[in-house]
Amino acid sequence: DIQMTQSPSSLSASVGDRVTITCQASQDISNYLNWYQQKPGKAPKLLIYDASNLKRGVPSRFRGSGSGTDFTLTISDLQPEDFATYYCQQYDKLPPFTFGPGTTVDIK
Amino acid sequence: EVQLVESGGALVQPGGSLRLACAATGLSVGTSSMSWVRQAPGRGLEWVSLIYSGGQTYYAESVRGTFTISRDISKNTLYLEMSSLRVEDTAVYYCARAYSSLQIIFDSWGQGTLVTVSS
Repeated sequence: DIQMTQSPSSLSASVGDRVTITCQASQDISNYLNWYQQKPGKAPKLLIYDASNLKRGVPSRFRGSGSGTDFTLTISDLQPEDFATYYCQQYDKLPPFTFGPGTTVDIK
Repeated sequence: EVQLVESGGALVQPGGSLRLACAATGLSVGTSSMSWVRQAPGRGLEWVSLIYSGGQTYYAESVRGTFTISRDISKNTLYLEMSSLRVEDTAVYYCARAYSSLQIIFDSWGQGTLVTVSS
């Protein structure tokens, strides 16, 4: 099975900061990588699919990049509503469709 | 607009059984690939099971043999039958729609239903 890791596990940032979260797969998954945002007590929301495609309606300050085994989610000009936990998820070939352990972005 | 509404979560004793339901509007469960994803208290997301639009089913290693995913096209509802429940199965269970059978991108989610396994 493909394992996913994320770093850091948490970070503190201020409004207006640029934040970078990395996700690494245990084997080549091409660009089959999605990013989700989850706020406490709420369901996850899709932000980016296929590594770099922004879901319609998601602000352009969110950017995804990478392919193969290494991926990055960048949030530019961090806004108050961006404080949340972010998960990557791979879907290369057959199940299981593993999620990363998550990265929590909180207010410094 | 797609809407997914889970129900059926409850407090159940270890070894017990439970059936979760996910009622869908704005999509057809018969032509969609659908999944269950769970989240234990204070933990991350864990993919549990998926049923492809063609009917093939898959399970996480942790639930294989004890959980069964199914769908009722006439009711447009997805189900998760859980048996031999363990304390470790305690979680919020979400149903989610995959964008397509080739692109397992969870683009719509329900609000979740809480399953608590405890004596």
